[in-house]
Amino acid sequence: GAVVSQHPSRVICKSGTSVKIECRSLDFQATTMFWYRQFPKQSLMLMATSNEGSKATYEQGVEKDKFLINHASLTLSTLTVTSAHPEDSSFYICSARNWVGTGNTSPLHFGNGTRLTVT
Amino acid sequence: KQEVTQIPAALSVPEGENLVLNCSFTDSAIYNLQWFRQDPGKGLTSLLLIQSSQREQTSGRLNASLDKSSGRSTLYIAASQPGDSATYLCAVGAAGNKLTFGGGTRVLVKP
Repeated sequence: GAVVSQHPSRVICKSGTSVKIECRSLDFQATTMFWYRQFPKQSLMLMATSNEGSKATYEQGVEKDKFLINHASLTLSTLTVTSAHPEDSSFYICSARNWVGTGNTSPLHFGNGTRLTVT
Repeated sequence: KQEVTQIPAALSVPEGENLVLNCSFTDSAIYNLQWFRQDPGKGLTSLLLIQSSQREQTSGRLNASLDKSSGRSTLYIAASQPGDSATYLCAVGAAGNKLTFGGGTRVLVKP
């Protein structure tokens, strides 16, 4: 089955530093990946849509200069949290869909998430 | 703007009972609806995907129904087991592959 790998699973960083999170589709190509954020005991909120070879599309209220997204290949998207602050502490999850010959019929597959703690 | 609501927020049942989880959405113009399972501190596992043209999907002990006109989906889990304890999320798919998630139902199955 389709597998999405996310790394790291946990990261603790100091306020003001930057953190990069990787999302890889292991056995399929994903022209589009999605980044979500989940605060404790809350549901997932879409942050941005990552498009291979072009700029990401950010949801309203998400700072594009703070959350840098790069989708350099069909299997890798990265999210960089720049100048992290304690309020950025959250659970970040990426997802991707295998588009080959399936259009809207295939489910989104999610990574295992990254727990970011900013001290 | 699509809004997705899941009721109840939490549910506790003895092992063996059937589980019924509800999801409602405000905009019936959806592409699909997907049910996920999330274990504490983990990512999401896709359980069932129902296309907008379908009325239900089944996988093992799981059955999900979809009624677009009334904006509702129900996930049934038959003969619950302690291993079914998790948070269950429903998500409505729209154009551009965007998912809108409900708040989830935390399920505890007591042995």
